[in-house]
Amino acid sequence: AQTVTQSQPEMSVQEAETVTLSCTYDTSESDYYLFWYKQPPSRQMILVIRQEAYKQQNATENRFSVNFQKAAKSFSLKISDSQLGDAAMYFCAYRSAGSNTGKLIFGQGTTLQVKP
Amino acid sequence: SQTIHQWPATLVQPVGSPLSLECTVEGTSNPNLYWYRQAAGRGLQLLFYSVGIGQISSEVPQNLSASRPQDRQFILSSKKLLLSDSGFYLCAWSVPPGVLSSSGANVLTFGAGSRLTVL
Repeated sequence: AQTVTQSQPEMSVQEAETVTLSCTYDTSESDYYLFWYKQPPSRQMILVIRQEAYKQQNATENRFSVNFQKAAKSFSLKISDSQLGDAAMYFCAYRSAGSNTGKLIFGQGTTLQVKP
Repeated sequence: SQTIHQWPATLVQPVGSPLSLECTVEGTSNPNLYWYRQAAGRGLQLLFYSVGIGQISSEVPQNLSASRPQDRQFILSSKKLLLSDSGFYLCAWSVPPGVLSSSGANVLTFGAGSRLTVL
């Protein structure tokens, strides 16, 4: 079974600085998708960024980018120019490409604090 | 555009009482539907998923059940709540794998969640 591990329960960053959140996963599959979701205090889950495993190029969405290391099974999220609104819990998630269920497996989350 | 509605947003129930949380999706057909639970300060645990009307798969044994009476309706129920059922419940939908969509392939879109407190 696949697992997702986020080893940093809490992180903090100064406003305008850069922070990297770590995520590792375990799978025997070669084709899959990886995601980062953000959960602000409202608790609404919001998709931040996604990565297809077959793509070597790291995904980027404005200030958010990932470092996808397939061989190492690592998928870290970098937030540049951090803003107060980035404060939230961040979840890394895995989805098998071969499954017809589309279900996501989530890590335990990392709470990010942004200091003004 | 597609939208997902989940209610009630907050619920306080005594132990032993029944539960019904409802989720509906608009603007799409034949979605995959999911119920997740999030304990305080923890990650999301998949409870149930459905790939079609009447098709329910359970991920973990528990005191809860799910039903999908209509294509875009997903209901989470319990006949008798336990204290351990307290938590934050999230409904989500996705386009079935292999189907092209403007919402983005392989993406789960979540409802606003329901906070359940069992006393």
